[in-house]
Amino acid sequence: DIQMTQSPSSLSASVGDRVTITCRASQSISSYLNWYQQKPGKAPKLLIYAASSLQSGVPSRFSGSGSGTDFTLTISSLQPEDFATYYCQQSYARETFGQGTKLEIK
Amino acid sequence: EVQLVESGGGLVQPGGSLRLSCAASGFTFSSYAMSWVRQAPGKGLEWVSAISGSGGSTYYADSVKGRFTISRDNSKNTLYLQMNSLRAEDTAVYYCAKIAYYYDRIRNSIAYFDYWGQGTLVTVSS
Repeated sequence: DIQMTQSPSSLSASVGDRVTITCRASQSISSYLNWYQQKPGKAPKLLIYAASSLQSGVPSRFSGSGSGTDFTLTISSLQPEDFATYYCQQSYARETFGQGTKLEIK
Repeated sequence: EVQLVESGGGLVQPGGSLRLSCAASGFTFSSYAMSWVRQAPGKGLEWVSAISGSGGSTYYADSVKGRFTISRDNSKNTLYLQMNSLRAEDTAVYYCAKIAYYYDRIRNSIAYFDYWGQGTLVTVSS
């Protein structure tokens, strides 16, 4: 199985901050990388697919980049509703998720 | 509007069985592959199983292979997960998810989960 490792596992930030979350795959996955946001007690929500394509309806402050083994999710200016847990997921082979990054208010 | 509504979760003893359902609406169900993803309490997401739009192809995580069976009834717009020989480690919220595909410039198809249900809790305990 392809292992997905996110860093950091948790992050404290303030409203208005620029935040970057990293996801590393154990082997090259080209652009087969998606990002999700999950709030407590809710289902995950798709943010970014194919490494850098913004899902319809998702604010443009979210962006994704990367290819191969290293990927990033960037939030350009944190809003109060962005405090949540973020997961990366590869679909190159048998889908696997990263362990999650919990974004908390500083 | 796409809607996915899971049902069938509950408390079951180790070794028991349970069948989950996911009722879909708002899209042409038979045209899309579907998947189950689970989340143990306080833990991350784990892909469980997937099925093609026709139901002719199925896929399983190693952790559930031989115990779980995914199926669908396209006449009823419903996805199922039959879970047998349940173990304590199967305790989780189970989500159904619709699969979409992005085609890049060289026609690679990149799958992603574009819609998710609200989840149903399965607790395996004596």
